[in-house]
Amino acid sequence: GAGVSQSPRYKVTKRGQDVALRCDPISGHVSLYWYRQALGQGPEFLTYFNYEAQQDKSGLPNDRFSAERPEGSISTLTIQRTEQRDSAMYRCASSPGLAGEGYNEQFFGPGTRLTVL
Amino acid sequence: AQSVTQLGSHVSVSEGALVLLRCNYSSSVPPYLFWYVQYPNQGLQLLLKYTTGATLVKGINGFEAEFKKSETSFHLTKPSAHMSDAAEYFCAVTPPWAGGFKTIFGAGTRLFVKA
Repeated sequence: GAGVSQSPRYKVTKRGQDVALRCDPISGHVSLYWYRQALGQGPEFLTYFNYEAQQDKSGLPNDRFSAERPEGSISTLTIQRTEQRDSAMYRCASSPGLAGEGYNEQFFGPGTRLTVL
Repeated sequence: AQSVTQLGSHVSVSEGALVLLRCNYSSSVPPYLFWYVQYPNQGLQLLLKYTTGATLVKGINGFEAEFKKSETSFHLTKPSAHMSDAAEYFCAVTPPWAGGFKTIFGAGTRLFVKA
């Protein structure tokens, strides 16, 4: 079956441009998570959704970062006015259970490698 | 605040040798514990997890891990390494209380397997 997909896989942009990263979770998965992973580090939590509701965005670095999941399926992470420090791998994960049920496995996508020049 | 420490950013073993990847966590109460594996150009994949019950958990590909509350550890082992085990391994925790959604990952350990 299809896993979590993310697009684009690679994105190179110039400083100051806006970027939109897409995540297509496994069909039927109710929770969706966004992470940022720097080179040599583990994934760092950014935000998550239960269905279409964004439950927590405390991990978003600043107000240039936003995320939405309007129909409870596909999600978009948007970074406005990108800066070089935003360069990282952005990973999406989905889970069949609600976030808050911390024992559930998360299924990860391959990530989007963002490079800001 | 919770944290996860993985000792050794790189571990190298010979094919057929024991694999031991260390993970210690810091938490006021025992969290849920996970090991994920990441192969190049792929997403993280769950190897095994501990939630409740038996403290020795078995996962895919012959891996297992033991939760030791007294040592706040969840080390990953495999009796005999295979070349295909070469990958990056992440230990992760989530809090066990209601609303425990925020998964904290360790920095990862890259496993090299020598022929």
